[in-house]
Amino acid sequence: AQTIHQWPVAEIKAVGSPLSLGCTIKGKSSPNLYWYWQATGGTLQQLFYSITVGQVESVVQLNLSASRPKDDQFILSTEKLLLSHSGFYLCASRTDTEVFFGKGTRLTVV
Amino acid sequence: QQKVQQSPESLIVPEGGMASLNCTFSDRNSQYFWWYRQHSGEGPKALMSIFSNGDKKEGRFTAHLNKASLYVSLHIKDSQPSDSALYFCAVSMGTGGYKVVFGSGTRLLVSP
Repeated sequence: AQTIHQWPVAEIKAVGSPLSLGCTIKGKSSPNLYWYWQATGGTLQQLFYSITVGQVESVVQLNLSASRPKDDQFILSTEKLLLSHSGFYLCASRTDTEVFFGKGTRLTVV
Repeated sequence: QQKVQQSPESLIVPEGGMASLNCTFSDRNSQYFWWYRQHSGEGPKALMSIFSNGDKKEGRFTAHLNKASLYVSLHIKDSQPSDSALYFCAVSMGTGGYKVVFGSGTRLLVSP
């Protein structure tokens, strides 16, 4: 069975500080990977997707970047956090029938 | 702009009642459609997928898809308090269907 591990579970960071969120997928080779962002009670906004190692497509610009250094790993980062970056970040893996989500990282920017 | 709109924003149904959630989308080339449920503090979990026009039933849940009308719906029969959650429809869009766009969500409350 496919599992997605996200880290950290939660972060409190200062405005202007850097950020790195990670995601590891087990149980599926060459997955299609996604990063989503969700404001509290809001919808899920797709940020990036990656079909293969080293290739990342941006869906929306939020002063964030993503990288896929390994087949099973997806990283979301920024050098300078904004207050608007606060929210719930979800890594996901796509199969033919489902977009399968990790448990997410809760980010609070202060 | 590729859009997915859900209605109603919120819904209250009595325990044992029927909940009906609606979703419209803008891309006629969309091929994959999902319904997700999210409880507070958790990631969304897939409820159902539907890829062909018509109805698909899984237990108490029935999804309906009409691609020509750009419409997909979810009906929950015999609603339970544990069904109270935020529900999203999701639609694949764009070349290759790699963009998966989520609707704005419907907050369902099932009152005991």
